[in-house]
Amino acid sequence: DAKTTQPPSMDCAEGRAANLPCNHSTISGNEYVYWYRQIHSQGPQYIIHGLKNNETNEMASLIITEDRKSSTLILPHATLRDTAVYYCIVRVGTNAGKSTFGDGTTLTVKP
Amino acid sequence: DTGVSQDPRHKITKRGQNVTFRCDPISEHNRLYWYRQTLGQGPEFLTYFQNEAQLEKSRLLSDRFSAERPKGSFSTLEIQRTEQGDSAMYLCASSSGLASSVGYTQYFGPGTRLTVL
Repeated sequence: DAKTTQPPSMDCAEGRAANLPCNHSTISGNEYVYWYRQIHSQGPQYIIHGLKNNETNEMASLIITEDRKSSTLILPHATLRDTAVYYCIVRVGTNAGKSTFGDGTTLTVKP
Repeated sequence: DTGVSQDPRHKITKRGQNVTFRCDPISEHNRLYWYRQTLGQGPEFLTYFQNEAQLEKSRLLSDRFSAERPKGSFSTLEIQRTEQGDSAMYLCASSSGLASSVGYTQYFGPGTRLTVL
């Protein structure tokens, strides 16, 4: 699985959009980008995933660059409850086994 | 859909004791994964099952660790002769295994926090 690079920490004002970047310059054509978040002492929570098209669900939007070497997770209106560690993972979308997590980005939403 | 459940949520044990954790995946998910997470780090893969077959094991899974999924439903992770370095959060995840990117999405349980004294 490709390695990802994320900033270790970010701050965001409550009510504003949070834009979390992820670099995955060695991503392969059959690898998807998945995002999870982990609130303190809980298990990781699935947020969204995509291959090459932008995706949106009730939690977030995922923007993947045309060359697929980077992506951005967007939380449109961040709340205090969005404070968490956000993980960007790339993995194959076929017979996939493990997910390889990095250290993620700690997002702190401030009032 | 009740989500992935794990039991116990917390376990405190003394060095040298054996411990066993249980994971119940989302109903009808045929893939089940175990991860370990230490403080400040992302989860690290340990092993995974497709139905009852254990298909991959990490080098992290020493011979003191054993995982089973006897009937292809719940799974257990046993650690024998625990060491202080085993203190961590043990996470279980499951996926449906259907041939689609949605099918391979892993959903995590709340974890079991192990403290070895």
